[in-house]
Amino acid sequence: AQRVTQPEKLLSVFKGAPVELKCNYSYSGSPELFWYVQYSRQRLQLLLRHISRESIKGFTADLNKGETSFHLKKPFAQEEDSAMYYCAPPPKRRAGNQFYFGTGTSLTVIP
Amino acid sequence: NAGVTQTPKFRILKIGQSMTLQCTQDMNHNYMYWYRQDPGMGLKLIYYSVGAGITDKGEVPNGYNVSRSTTEDFPLRLELAAPSQTSVYFCASSRTSGQSYEQYFGPGTRLTVT
Repeated sequence: AQRVTQPEKLLSVFKGAPVELKCNYSYSGSPELFWYVQYSRQRLQLLLRHISRESIKGFTADLNKGETSFHLKKPFAQEEDSAMYYCAPPPKRRAGNQFYFGTGTSLTVIP
Repeated sequence: NAGVTQTPKFRILKIGQSMTLQCTQDMNHNYMYWYRQDPGMGLKLIYYSVGAGITDKGEVPNGYNVSRSTTEDFPLRLELAAPSQTSVYFCASSRTSGQSYEQYFGPGTRLTVT
């Protein structure tokens, strides 16, 4: 099964400091990964997808096949970045496969 | 498009009661999913469907049932509510082809079983 691991449940950084939310994956083949964000009392929404190599709200994420990681980074954290972040593979159905989200990291940006 | 809609937003159940959480999407997505989100525990997949008439179990299916009679609707049924089912439930949908398999989520249903 495609598995992702987010080792940090909670992460606090000061406003203006760099932030990195970790995501590691453990499956073979061509990995495809997404970052989702959930702001307080809102629905989950897509933040980034690895294939587009885009920067959204100042966040970037690079797929590192050597380290099997897809860490989410932002050079200068803002208070509005406080949210729950989930790393997830795409919901493709393959034989014996399941779709698992990471356990999530709750980011708090301290003013 | 309304996207993914869920009803109700909130519900309190007594132990042993039953209820159906409704989920509808208007994006013609074949894939639909039900997740539960417990405090500090992240998302866990309950059931998913890859098309009308096809459903399959996720990580935590016990105590739940689903059906998919149409592309648009994917209701989740709780037959005998238990306190362990107190959670926030999210429905989601996605396409089945193309480069992006982004999941679109509903606003959630907050369920309390007492």
